[in-house]
Formats: sequence, C-alpha cells, structure tokens
Amino acid sequence: AQKITQTQPGMFVQEKEAVTLDCTYDTSDPSYGLFWYKQPSSGEMIFLIYQGSYDQQNATEGRYSLNFQKARKSANLVISASQLGDSAMYFCAMRVDTGGFKTIFGAGTRLFVKA
Amino acid sequence: EAQVTQNPRYLITVTGKKLTVTCSQNMNHEYMSWYRQDPGLGLRQIYYSMNVEVTDKGDVPEGYKVSRKEKRNFPLILESPSPNQTSLYFCASNEGDRAYGYTFGSGTRLTVV
Repeated sequence: AQKITQTQPGMFVQEKEAVTLDCTYDTSDPSYGLFWYKQPSSGEMIFLIYQGSYDQQNATEGRYSLNFQKARKSANLVISASQLGDSAMYFCAMRVDTGGFKTIFGAGTRLFVKA
Repeated sequence: EAQVTQNPRYLITVTGKKLTVTCSQNMNHEYMSWYRQDPGLGLRQIYYSMNVEVTDKGDVPEGYKVSRKEKRNFPLILESPSPNQTSLYFCASNEGDRAYGYTFGSGTRLTVV
C-alpha cells in the first residue's frame, strides 16, 4: 500500500535561514511523482514543486528544492532564505501511475518563521 | 483567470439533508478530484475522474457520490450527510500529466449537525 509520512508536526525557523521539511514515502510502483504543496492560514492549497521517480536531478523552483533520495524513499523539501510569508502548513504528496493516478497526502508540517 | 471554483464556501446543514457541492474548472483539465481535509490526517481522496463519464473511488468514498457529465464540472453529492462528514472539502484539477500539480479550489467548509 502507498503511504506518505511527515514526522514533523511543527517546526520553527529563523527568518533568512534555510529549513528542511521531511517526507518519506512507500510504494512498490516504479513510476510515481512526488509533490509539495503549501497551505497558508487563508486556507488555499498552492502547488510548489514536483519530482518524478525517474528524474536524475533534484527539482528546484526558486527558493524551493526537493532533496530526492530514492533508495531511502525520502523527498524532503528545502526552503532557502526563509521569509515570514513562508509560515504555513506544508503537505507532501505522492501520485502513482498505476491504479488510476491516485494521489495521497501526508499529514502535513506546520512551519513557523520567526522574525 | 485559470481557476477551480467551488461553491458554497461555507455550509451548515442537518443530518440527512441531501446536499451538493459544486466544482467547475475553466482550464480544460481532464483530471479532477475531491479531497477532504481533517486535522492530523492531511488530505484524503474521496473520488476522482480521469475524463467525462469516468470516475473512480479514492480512499474514503463512503457516503459520497460524484458525476462527470461535462469536462468542466465535477459535483460532490452527499445523499444523507452525517456529522462525521463535517470537514473541509477541496476540489482539484490538473491536465492529467503527473508532472503537473493540482490546481485547487478555495475549499468548502461543511458542518453537519
């Protein structure tokens, strides 16, 4: 069965510092995609970054990068130079290509950026 | 503006009274999905649709129905709501290519009393 685990319910980071949000996943499907989403206090869900299981390089999008370690089944999100606006809930998600493209989410990590 | 529109944003209803949450997207996306969000559980998939007239169950489909008669619309139907369906609901869509993340609606906060 597929599973996403985010072990950090909450984290603090100082403004302008980097922070890593952990995500581990479990699937036996060789073809899958990994995603990170941000949910600010206003409630909307915002897509941040994607990593495919066959991608050789780690994905990057501006200040966001995904540290993909396939053998360890981890897909950690790294946010560089944290800003106050980064305070939000962050969800890791996985979509497998068999079984109808179902996407499952982790429980989330709440990030607090301190001034 | 490319968007997914959900209505209503907030809804309080009584147990057993049928309701429909509408979802519409203007991006010609093939893939649409419904999720519920509960504290500590993240988002759980209720139903998804890969195209018109093609729907399938997610992880928590009990008590819900969907239909996909047109590409742009994907309503969520609760035939007989119960208090355990009190939750925040999101509709989402994407092109079907797994390289793209979802575009989410603004959410519907449903309370069943």
